[in-house]
Amino acid sequence: NAGVMQNPRHLVRRRGQEARLRCSPMKGHSHVYWYRQLPEEGLKFMVYLQKENIIDESGMPKERFSAEFPKEGPSILRIQQVVRGDSAAYFCASSPLEVYRGHTEAFFGQGTRLTVV
Amino acid sequence: AQTVTQSQPEMSVQEAETVTLSCTYDTSESDYYLFWYKQPPSRQMILVIRQEAYKQQNATENRFSVNFQKAAKSFSLKISDSQLGDAAMYFCAYRSGQNFVFGPGTRLSVLP
Repeated sequence: NAGVMQNPRHLVRRRGQEARLRCSPMKGHSHVYWYRQLPEEGLKFMVYLQKENIIDESGMPKERFSAEFPKEGPSILRIQQVVRGDSAAYFCASSPLEVYRGHTEAFFGQGTRLTVV
Repeated sequence: AQTVTQSQPEMSVQEAETVTLSCTYDTSESDYYLFWYKQPPSRQMILVIRQEAYKQQNATENRFSVNFQKAAKSFSLKISDSQLGDAAMYFCAYRSGQNFVFGPGTRLSVLP
């Protein structure tokens, strides 16, 4: 059972370009979380998705950022017109459907480090 | 809203000694889970230990143990016989339902 897969591991974009970050959850996991980690800081929640639904996007900036988790394929975090301040590590985590079935923790991918130049 | 606080931005411990990392949280829920994650320089997030709130017994995993004080909403991590490989960022996390909240992290250095 492969873990959470994120790609690319490193992404360099010029200011004004678009960044697309991909996350394939663990097999059987239907919940995906995206977090942002600035240098020397902790994880900041961005968005929580289930298949085809955004459940909680309270941590997402109102502009330029969007996320989706389609019925087929990976979850995508999209950042339009990137700025230097978007440079960070973006982590995806997945978890199974039900907490009370004994699987409670989120499993993390290795992150995508976005650098905006 | 739930919050998780880690009041120690940085800690250091001598190799083979014991260190305790602090974590407090705020919630009105009675049923929840608590976790400690480790993030080494590789950036991979690794689950260290977890605690179910309904269990009074403190969780242990080899050299790692927790002191869970539900009434005080405290969840500290004790690392015994510290090793150089324990050096990392440590994040305390809270989960209730599908809501996952992380603390700001504590950077642990292990001195040879």
